[in-house]
Amino acid sequence: QKEVEQDPGPLSVPEGAIVSLNCTYSNSAFQYFMWYRQYSRKGPELLMYTYSSGNKEDGRFTAQVDKSSKYISLFIRDSQPSDSATYLCAMTLTGGGNKLTFGTGTQLKVEL
Amino acid sequence: DSGVTQTPKHLITATGQRVTLRCSPRSGDLSVYWYQQSLDQGLQFLIQYYNGEERAKGNILERFSAQQFPDLHSELNLSSLELGDSALYFCASSATSGRDHEQYFGPGTRLTVT
Repeated sequence: QKEVEQDPGPLSVPEGAIVSLNCTYSNSAFQYFMWYRQYSRKGPELLMYTYSSGNKEDGRFTAQVDKSSKYISLFIRDSQPSDSATYLCAMTLTGGGNKLTFGTGTQLKVEL
Repeated sequence: DSGVTQTPKHLITATGQRVTLRCSPRSGDLSVYWYQQSLDQGLQFLIQYYNGEERAKGNILERFSAQQFPDLHSELNLSSLELGDSALYFCASSATSGRDHEQYFGPGTRLTVT
């Protein structure tokens, strides 16, 4: 079983929809939770990170972490065709010298 | 644009050969990370350097090695290449070693081994 599980999709939604992307993980020591967006043939782009449990909002994006359930989510409001990409969750420990452990990514397509 | 640069963008080479991938971190970033992305394994951490010193090691093969130079650029050397080494190789950087959670990725080098 992988440390981080993510539904690969593809997920197809109409423009303007609310998108929910999720990851589950097994290592309870993870403290930082990140969401990256990766367009085809490009490098991953850091969208946002959250420390420990709670919510964080940045524009149309909201990240949620539930450490008790080992479950994280990214919500995208008012989705746009430009949001079409692969979304990767990633996690790491604190203290430095720690790798990022990535989910396999969810492919999202927002259609007109 | 993340500010991390990688060269070359594409590399095609034969089995058994050796290649060098180059990365320049964002201005001021001291920490450099290397990742491999393949269809079957996803994004896998290889190695981290901080201010010239190796800081963390992931699933990096013995045929692979890396270093970070005094000007903070980094190189990943891949030798005795096999077909299975074909992948996207990304470099990422962060300000300090304690900011592993805030890594900025370069555009990647696509390696094809024939």
